[in-house]
Amino acid sequence: SQELEQSPQSLIVQEGKNLTINCTSSKTLYGLYWYKQKYGEGLIFLMMLQKGGEEKSHEKITAKLDEKKQQSSLHITASQPSHAGIYLCGAALSSGSARQLTFGSGTQLTVLP
Amino acid sequence: GAVVSQHPSRVICKSGTSVKIECRSLDFQATTMFWYRQFPKKSLMLMATSNEGSKATYEQGVEKDKFLINHASLTLSTLTVTSAHPEDSSFYICSARDYQRDETQYFGPGTRLLVL
Repeated sequence: SQELEQSPQSLIVQEGKNLTINCTSSKTLYGLYWYKQKYGEGLIFLMMLQKGGEEKSHEKITAKLDEKKQQSSLHITASQPSHAGIYLCGAALSSGSARQLTFGSGTQLTVLP
Repeated sequence: GAVVSQHPSRVICKSGTSVKIECRSLDFQATTMFWYRQFPKKSLMLMATSNEGSKATYEQGVEKDKFLINHASLTLSTLTVTSAHPEDSSFYICSARDYQRDETQYFGPGTRLLVL
């Protein structure tokens, strides 16, 4: 089984609707990163969470890390076609200085105009 | 800030040849860079961690003699795919960490390799 489970695998929403993507681990998350990727392109950094209970927002995107630091969610309010893409969560599963990231399988988001 | 570039963006080569991919941090120094491989509609798979001035650390199952990594300066890491075969065709992405800012990995735009 994967160390980092991301759900749903794909999501199709109507423009203006809210949506949530989840990222769950059986291990403690020492750092949780959310990225967005357009197919065939690099990853765009969205947000990083480190503390249990932490919540960050940027424009219409909010990311949260639960108190146990094993689950994170990404919430998009009033989605727009520009939000379409692949969302990936990446987690540091050890406290080592290398901070290697393990990635979830990604969520393909389609926003219908 | 925190811009990472990759060159080339795409490359087509013949089987048996070697291909070098460059990863540069343009506006910060990166003591650590990471190389990932991504298959179509799949997540990123970490191949190796590249440390400036020392040997790279490879993940299990990644052949170090096949994928040569050199991190000669604080702004440049290179990945050389030696004696490339069609199964090496993939999307290769690098990332770099800016220690002076935070521990976030900033990613390059990726290199699409096609081996004929």
